[in-house]
Amino acid sequence: EAQVTQNPRYLITVTGKKLTVTCSQNMNHEYMSWYRQDPGLGLRQIYYSMNVEATDKGDVPEGYKVSRKEKRNFPLILESPSPNQTSLYFCASRRGEYNSPLHFGNGTRLTVT
Amino acid sequence: GDSVTQMEGPVTLSEEAFLTINCTYTATGYPSLFWYVQYPGEGLQLLLKATKADDKGSNKGFEATYRKETTSFHLEKGSVQVSDSAVYFCALRGYNNNDMRFGAGTRLTVKP
Repeated sequence: EAQVTQNPRYLITVTGKKLTVTCSQNMNHEYMSWYRQDPGLGLRQIYYSMNVEATDKGDVPEGYKVSRKEKRNFPLILESPSPNQTSLYFCASRRGEYNSPLHFGNGTRLTVT
Repeated sequence: GDSVTQMEGPVTLSEEAFLTINCTYTATGYPSLFWYVQYPGEGLQLLLKATKADDKGSNKGFEATYRKETTSFHLEKGSVQVSDSAVYFCALRGYNNNDMRFGAGTRLTVKP
């Protein structure tokens, strides 16, 4: 089954404790992206990657890191989480062609206390 | 920069009622327009899309027409069902193809 898999689904942590949210896709998609979803703000892009070893900042990259060492994986790293990073996070992927639709994971709900 | 504005919710309708969720956009050039749907506990799924002016996207009884003159892409369905209860997001992708802009989302609840 074609899918984007995120782990974990739920995560509660404390301020300053480094964490990683994993994302993997099995569709051989070139493009991958991370979004955060907050009430009243919709989805905002954190980082995206056009292909292996090619990443770039989205609208809200501060406090986050990403890497793209393999085509299928695109982990999101919070080196020192803060309470304002409490949010619902989505990973998404698509083919490189223009107008290809995004395929989303089921989300990771992160709470930072 | 590019942006999407969609009507605020929540929207509550009775089964078989007519649905309209308004969406307008601001963009440079000729963006592609999308509607995504998010069911509880799930990620967003593509509902329909339109890539040029006057295109009509349709899927599962939902429709939206790309209106460049009014910069709008309103979502409509003639007869909603309880199973349509979800959050609906309007989105656009601009000419650079790297950035998808989403509206704030509209929560729809359909009651039997």
